[in-house]
Amino acid sequence: DAGVIQSPRHEVTEMGQEVTLRCKPISGHDYLFWYRQTMMRGLELLIYFNNNVPIDDSGMPEDRFSAKMPNASFSTLKIQPSEPRDSAVYFCASDSGVTDTQYFGPGTRLTVL
Amino acid sequence: GNSVTQMEGPVTLSEEAFLTINCTYTATGYPSLFWYVQYPGEGLQLLLKATKADDKGSNKGFEATYRKETTSFHLEKGSVQVSDSAVYFCALSEGTNAGKSTFGDGTTLTVKP
Repeated sequence: DAGVIQSPRHEVTEMGQEVTLRCKPISGHDYLFWYRQTMMRGLELLIYFNNNVPIDDSGMPEDRFSAKMPNASFSTLKIQPSEPRDSAVYFCASDSGVTDTQYFGPGTRLTVL
Repeated sequence: GNSVTQMEGPVTLSEEAFLTINCTYTATGYPSLFWYVQYPGEGLQLLLKATKADDKGSNKGFEATYRKETTSFHLEKGSVQVSDSAVYFCALSEGTNAGKSTFGDGTTLTVKP
């Protein structure tokens, strides 16, 4: 298996622009998680899905952030409009729900100027 | 709610030194416990896990024992290498939280030759 795939790996954008991050989970995994990692705040869970349904979005910072999972093999995290404080590494992870082990993607490093 | 507290870093050791990174947890039920490792520029990956009291997880020379009486899951390695330099995260997962894991803040380990 290719593992969790994220794109793009790096994104540089200007304040106010829309940013879309993409994730393809491991085939057969029922859970998908979006995390944000910064030096100041560490690893934060933003939202997670079970069988394509959002279960807990209490970590989403504000209305500028939205996430969708239209099918079992694809999810997006959108920031509109982006702000410099959104600069971070965003990770997607998936879990089969059987072993409780999360498999992380390589992350997207977002820089908002 | 669930929580994980791990030893603050950074930790700096010389090659072949003994490593301990402390981790304690709070959970309402009977969680599974994990150590994840994050190498520079990568996502987190599972290092080892234990699913019930007194279980020992081990991998790549690292070990951790699930101690229910002290609610601890300390990570140990007898002789560290430069290649072990990374950030280590302790985590727990409880079935009642529907797949969601709780992560510690991470401990940065640097091993010097």
